[in-house]
This record gives sequence, structure tokens and C-alpha cells, in this order.
Amino acid sequence: QVHLVESGGGVVQPGRSLRLSCVASGFTFSSYAMHWVRQAPGKGLEWVAIVSYDGTNKYYVDSVKGRFTISRDNSKNTLYLQMNSLRAEDTAVYYCAKPYYYDSSSYAFDHWGQGTLVTVSS
Amino acid sequence: DIQMTQSPSSLPASVGDSVTITCRASQTISTYLNWYQHELGKAPKLLIYAASNLRSGVPSRFRGSGSGADFTLTISSLQPEDFATYYCQQSFGTRPTFGQGTRLEI
Repeated sequence: QVHLVESGGGVVQPGRSLRLSCVASGFTFSSYAMHWVRQAPGKGLEWVAIVSYDGTNKYYVDSVKGRFTISRDNSKNTLYLQMNSLRAEDTAVYYCAKPYYYDSSSYAFDHWGQGTLVTVSS
Repeated sequence: DIQMTQSPSSLPASVGDSVTITCRASQTISTYLNWYQHELGKAPKLLIYAASNLRSGVPSRFRGSGSGADFTLTISSLQPEDFATYYCQQSFGTRPTFGQGTRLEI
């Protein structure tokens, strides 16, 4: 049974940093790219970042480029999101999400964590 | 990036009704389109993948269709547990994007 558990959220002042973690179980973590998706209060879902199965390729939504870094430790089955220079608009519930590949190049998010809340406020 | 536009943003309905939500991509995305249900405080749930494929365990009253740039999600015979927010999501590009959501409300 697939399980994704996020942690590391909390209240942080603007300009400060926070690192989120997502511990995965129930599947071969090292075989899958992994994603972070967020939802700001009263807003919709927004994809944030992806890291390839081996950690070599990473892509980000424009609004976090240069501030956030996605990474993974396959020996620990853990996904990370290092968030620097945080802004009020980064306030959101952050979910890690596992892809389900339905063909060679495309996917859907078939498993999600329960989310961790990040609040950026002075 | 590919922009996804859903309509309507909110949809009043009653138990037993049938409803349709539309999703339009800013460019053609073949059938690389997925639908999710999201209830407040819970993780999003995958309903439909590749535009029209029902995920295992999802009730058959959920149906997806479309290809290219225009897609629909139809829910027939609404049940109380269906009142939630629905999102489309494209996985055609390197960076996936979601629609803004449709809130299905009683």
C-alpha cells in the first residue's frame, strides 16, 4: 500500500527558509519521478516542482525558480523541498505526489500525501 | 506553459442531477488530461486519466471525454459525497498544470 507522509511545515517569517520532507513507502521509490503540488488558501492546486527518479533532472514553476530546490534521497525513500526567501504568497498546503505512468511519457498523480501547511507571516 | 481553463468555476446542483464540467487547454494536448476530486482537508483523488479512463475503484457515474484541447467530465446521478471541487490537469508538457477548479455545491 502506497503511503506518502509530509512533514516540516510551520509558521515562518518572510525571507526565511524551511525544508519539507516526504517519506514514501509501499512502492519502489527510486523508480519514480516525484512531485510537489501546493494549494494556497482559497485557491486551486498548483504544481510546484518535479525531480527525476535519480535526482538528476529538476523542473520548477516560474514563481519558485531560484528560491526552491527539490531533491531526493533514494536510500531513505525521502523527497525534499528546500524553500528559501519565502514570501507571503508561498503560504499553502504542500503535497508530495507520486505519478502513475499510463504510457511511455505521460502520467497522472495517483497517490498524494496528506499535506503539510506552510504559513509565511511576520 | 500550457494554460488550462475550467468552466464553470462553481456549479450548483442537487442529489440525483447530472452535471458536466469543461476544461480547455491553451494548445492541443492529445488525451494527456486527468481529472481529480478534492475535498477540503483531504488529499486530492484521481478520478480519470488519459481523458477517458476511469481509475480502478471510481464509480462508473464519473465519465471523461475529449481530445485535442477540449475535455469534459460528466457526473451522472450525483451522490452526496460528490459535492467537492474538481480539477483538470494536463501532463503533455514537462511542467504539468491544473485548471482553476470547479466547485460543485448543493
